Amino acid sequence: DTGVSQNPRHKITKRGQNVTFRCDPISEHNRLYWYRQTLGQGPEFLTYFQNEAQLEKSRLLSDRFSAERPKGSFSTLEIQRTEQGDSAMYLCASSFGRGVGDEQFFGPGTRLTVL
Amino acid sequence: GNSVTQMEGPVTLSEEAFLTINCTYTATGYPSLFWYVQYPGEGLQLLLKATKADDKGSNKGFEATYRKETTSFHLEKGSVQVSDSAVYFCALSNAGGTSYGKLTFGQGTILTVHP
Repeated sequence: DTGVSQNPRHKITKRGQNVTFRCDPISEHNRLYWYRQTLGQGPEFLTYFQNEAQLEKSRLLSDRFSAERPKGSFSTLEIQRTEQGDSAMYLCASSFGRGVGDEQFFGPGTRLTVL
Repeated sequence: GNSVTQMEGPVTLSEEAFLTINCTYTATGYPSLFWYVQYPGEGLQLLLKATKADDKGSNKGFEATYRKETTSFHLEKGSVQVSDSAVYFCALSNAGGTSYGKLTFGQGTILTVHP
């Protein structure tokens, strides 16, 4: 399967701990996005990479959140000092192109539960 | 800012009934419009899209027309099947500013189709 993969699929942690998620986009896709989805809501944009450059960050992304995409391949999203409000599904998507009408391919998500 | 509003859900229909899910948007510039679908236990996937006014997107019997005058992108299907049961998200990607193709989603509409 050559789709977008995310690991882990589920993560349970205690408040105050740090967590890191990984996203492997479709090979050759130059764009990579992170979204967060809470129950009963649509996904909300967190951050965007074009190749290895992080070009946009949402105001939702507090200082406790950091994302990287070394060498323009996989990406990691780290949350430091987790809070119960961080509990959500974290989605990664990738696309290829330069336009705004390009299809984004989504991974299965990482479900984070902060106790 | 950009926003997407979907009709309140959930929607419950009998097989072969006609489906309409309303979607309206607010955006600057000329957005591209999308419908994404999330089947039970699966990730988000693109159902259809339209990138300019009066365009009609279609796929798997679903259709939606980009109406700039009413800022709407309603999803329709003439005869639904049990297999169409899923959560449907309307989304836009803005052409203006530095949006880099990020998606703004509606809250989602749960569709359940009974035999």
